[in-house]
Amino acid sequence: GQQLNQSPQSMFIQEGEDVSMNCTSSSIFNTWLWYKQDPGEGPVLLIALYKAGELTSNGRLTAQFGITRKDSFLNISASIPSDVGIYFCAGQEGGSEKLVFGKGTKLTVNP
Amino acid sequence: SAVISQKPSRDICQRGTSLTIQCQVDSQVTMMFWYRQQPGQSLTLIATANQGSEATYESGFVIDKFPISRPNLTFSTLTVSNMSPEDSSIYLCSVVGRDGYTFGSGTRLTVV
Repeated sequence: GQQLNQSPQSMFIQEGEDVSMNCTSSSIFNTWLWYKQDPGEGPVLLIALYKAGELTSNGRLTAQFGITRKDSFLNISASIPSDVGIYFCAGQEGGSEKLVFGKGTKLTVNP
Repeated sequence: SAVISQKPSRDICQRGTSLTIQCQVDSQVTMMFWYRQQPGQSLTLIATANQGSEATYESGFVIDKFPISRPNLTFSTLTVSNMSPEDSSIYLCSVVGRDGYTFGSGTRLTVV
């Protein structure tokens, strides 16, 4: 099935640093979503993107829907310890409500 | 956004037995999905739960192994049948509502 390439696989950063992760696809998506998953929990939606070129912020998080509709990035500014977790991108293709997920980026923030 | 109650939150089961997971939503939703997240992996769609008809399964998943019910627009169950240790995963339900996609907190299943 469809796969999303998410990178990096893991990141180890110092508190206060900025973080960037991205996802790419071989096909076009109508919607890009970014989720965070804490241990023992289900994914929680961070940002949803619906239009090519769209740039959306949610506090210290910023995400963009690539102009080609085949990629998206998520930036986290001034990281804090509670940013620790696994971040997943997910895409929705046209004509389907199903989501395809990236493999996740595991973020560790050192205080 | 929709609020999902998923039960049980975790269970330890003997191989060869079956477990039924429930997903209750606080509002009527059109689309409900069931996902599996194997240890250290991403989410993989098992099936789309269709209200009033048989679920639509993704490649690699079959009804005999993962029977799904959806009697109304707010409730669905997923059964993991004849379990083996390879079925140890987190199982999550997800819905599409007015505010987009929402996930339950998951059921952490360990098969021994």
